[in-house]
Amino acid sequence: GENVEQHPSTLSVQEGDSAVIKCTYSDSASNYFPWYKQELGKRPQLIIDIRSNVGEKKDQRIAVTLNKTAKHFSLHITETQPEDSAVYFCAASASGGYNKLIFGAGTRLAVHP
Amino acid sequence: DSGVTQTPKHLITATGQRVTLRCSPRSGDLSVYWYQQSLDQGLQFLIQYYNGEERAKGNILERFSAQQFPDLHSELNLSSLELGDSALYFCASSAYLDPSYNEQFFGPGTRLTVL
Repeated sequence: GENVEQHPSTLSVQEGDSAVIKCTYSDSASNYFPWYKQELGKRPQLIIDIRSNVGEKKDQRIAVTLNKTAKHFSLHITETQPEDSAVYFCAASASGGYNKLIFGAGTRLAVHP
Repeated sequence: DSGVTQTPKHLITATGQRVTLRCSPRSGDLSVYWYQQSLDQGLQFLIQYYNGEERAKGNILERFSAQQFPDLHSELNLSSLELGDSALYFCASSAYLDPSYNEQFFGPGTRLTVL
């Protein structure tokens, strides 16, 4: 079945540095790749997503890249701030019959002032 | 606030018992998803309902069941509870059947503690 692997499981950076989180998916039919941010004790919230017909997408300090050949996608956060500290989840879904959003195990990002 | 509501917020019960978790989706959303998040774990997809019908199943135990009612609210029933069932249970909703079409909005979760 569909599997999504996410690395690293924890990431510690200094304020202002960049952070990169990487995910690999197994189902080549996957065509939708969202990223969710979950702050401590809160609900997961979508921060950015990308579809398989696009290689890169940016939203201010956040960007996501997709390599369909390698079945790999990444989240890039630039100029990190303490409020970026949270757990980040990648996910993948294939349209047309699966109806499942499969999540990675999560990356705990800590941004130190 | 995502517009998805879940009750109760916290639930403490004993092993062997049965509980019901409730979810009301955002207005207009027809799909409801249930996820389990154990301590320091990811989000495990349990089950999806769309407009009253079960449409997808994940790693849901046979002791667990769910349903979606005509008013589109959903309930997750957990029976013969075990210590390992202690987790945060999230409900999410979206407008369409296919999760690749649109964002899933998560509720605040129900924290279940089994003693």
